[in-house]
Amino acid sequence: DIQMTQSPSSLSASVGDRVTITCRASQDIRNDLNWYQQKPGKAPKRLIYAASSLESGVPSRFSGSGSGTEFTLTISSLQPEDFATFYCLQHNKYPYTFGQGTKLEI
Amino acid sequence: EVQLVESGGGLVKPGGSLRLSCAVSGFTFNTYSMNWVRQAPGKGLEWVSAISTGSSYKYYADSMKGRFTISRDNAKNSLYLQINSLRAEDTAVYYCARGVGGPELWGQGTLVTVSS
Repeated sequence: DIQMTQSPSSLSASVGDRVTITCRASQDIRNDLNWYQQKPGKAPKRLIYAASSLESGVPSRFSGSGSGTEFTLTISSLQPEDFATFYCLQHNKYPYTFGQGTKLEI
Repeated sequence: EVQLVESGGGLVKPGGSLRLSCAVSGFTFNTYSMNWVRQAPGKGLEWVSAISTGSSYKYYADSMKGRFTISRDNAKNSLYLQINSLRAEDTAVYYCARGVGGPELWGQGTLVTVSS
């Protein structure tokens, strides 16, 4: 199975900060990577697909990059509503696998 | 409006069985592969299973093989997950998710609690 290593597991930041979250795959997954945001008590929401494509309606302060084994999610200027937990997911091969999650806190 | 609505969760004793359902509306169900993803209380997301549009292909996480069975009824616009021999560690919110290149659109989830 493909292992996804996500870092950091938690992150403290302030409104206006630029933050970066990283996911590393245990083997080449091309660009078959999605990023999700989950707020407490809610279902996850896909933000980025195919490593760098922004989901419709998602603010442009979110961006994704990378291919192969290393990927990043960047939030250019944190807004209050961005504080949540973020997950990467590889869908290159079954079984699909998630990263461990990054909790973004104030 | 696109909707995915899970049901069938509840309190079950260890060793019991449960069938979760996901009723969808607002899109052409038989053109999308579908997924189940679960989340134990306070833990991260765990992909469980996926099924192709015509049910020809079914995939499972390694730890789910043997006890979990995914199925769908395209005539009823419904997705199912049968879980047998339930264990305490199966306690989680179970989400169904439409899948095009990984889970794309999610339901709100149904809670399964395994306890005596």
